This record gives sequence, structure tokens and C-alpha cells, in this order.
Amino acid sequence: LAKTTQPISMDSYEGQEVNITCSHNNIATNDYITWYQQFPSQGPRFIIQGYKTKVTNEVASLFIPADRKSSTLSLPRVSLSDTAVYYCLVGVLYSGNTGKLIFGQGTTLQVKP
Amino acid sequence: DVKVTQSSRYLVKRTGEKVFLECVQDMDHENMFWYRQDPGLGLRLIYFSYDVKMKEKGDIPEGYSVSREKKERFSLILESASTNQTSMYLCASSFRRMDQGLYEQYFGPGTRLTVT
Repeated sequence: LAKTTQPISMDSYEGQEVNITCSHNNIATNDYITWYQQFPSQGPRFIIQGYKTKVTNEVASLFIPADRKSSTLSLPRVSLSDTAVYYCLVGVLYSGNTGKLIFGQGTTLQVKP
Repeated sequence: DVKVTQSSRYLVKRTGEKVFLECVQDMDHENMFWYRQDPGLGLRLIYFSYDVKMKEKGDIPEGYSVSREKKERFSLILESASTNQTSMYLCASSFRRMDQGLYEQYFGPGTRLTVT
């Protein structure tokens, strides 16, 4: 069963690139890696998802090495509004309607001016 | 815009009470999920449902049950609330893939339940 481990907190300054790494040593062959962002008093919001190598969208990049035992969420040029908790999720749902979804404990990112 | 709503933002119940948490989504999603969120533990899956009247246990189903009578509505039931069920409860929904994988989940704002 995949267990995910993230740093508890990180600090950064506006304009910097931030990289948050999630360890998932027991990731299964069919598991996907997804990252969510959560602001206070809100539910998490999807950022990006990948299976292997690199995925990029308009807000972030996700780097997954060949062994898939970790993943790194990269946020380019953060602003104060990126201050939030970031969660990695490892898992999969099968068409047979079983599956496992394992969230990490979350990383609190504080962006300073 | 996808909307997932939860019946209450805050709820205070007494030990032993039966508690219903309701969730409604308006995007015709097949999958619906209930999580609890606790400091230092992240989100943990309680139950999910992939269709009306269908359910699957997550990682921590003990002490909880669920009901899905309509596609848009998913209820979490605490049969006899206990103080260790004090937590933030989050509902989510997503499309269901016909093969394997994950679609993004859309979360509600959460219900903070306090059991005294």
C-alpha cells in the first residue's frame, strides 16, 4: 500500500520557483500521482496529475522520475496568493470499482513578500 | 462550473447521536467520495460510491455508513457519534473512467463536526 510523505512546511518569497517533493516508495504499477491545493475554509482543488516523466499545465509542472518513488510539484514564480496547503495523492480507481486513494499529510507553503 | 455543496459548514452533536452529513453535486458525476481531514494526517478516504446504491469502503469506514439513493446526492451517516469522530468532513465527486485511472475530484467546502 502506497504511503506518501511530504515536508510539513516550506517558506518562499514572491517570484521564486518552489519545488515540493512527495515520497511514495511503495507506489503500485497502476497508481497515478495527483496534486491538490487547499486554501483555508475551502476544499482541495486539483492542480495537476501525472503517471510518469513530466507534465506541465498553465499553473504547475510535475516531475516524476523513472522509478516513480517520488514526485515533485514545481510552482514557477510564486505569489502571495499561492500560500496554501499542497497535498499529493497516490492511487487509482479501477473500472471494477475498487481502488485505493492515499493522500499525503500536506505541505503548508508560506509565500512572503 | 462544477459545484459540490455540503449541508452544513459547522455541526455540533452529542455522543451517541445519529448524524447525517449530506453532499450534493451538480455535474452528473458518477463517483462520489467522503473523506475526513485531521491535522497531521491529511485526508483519509471513508467511503466512495461509483453509482447509485453502490459503495466501496475506503481506508477508515469503521463507525460510518453511506447512502446513495440518487446520482447527485451522497450521504455520510454516523450511527452513534463518538468524540473521536470530531473532524472536518469533505465530500468530493468525479467522473468515472471506464478503464482505470483517476479523474480530478471536485471538493465541497467541508463540514466541521464537533462531537461533545
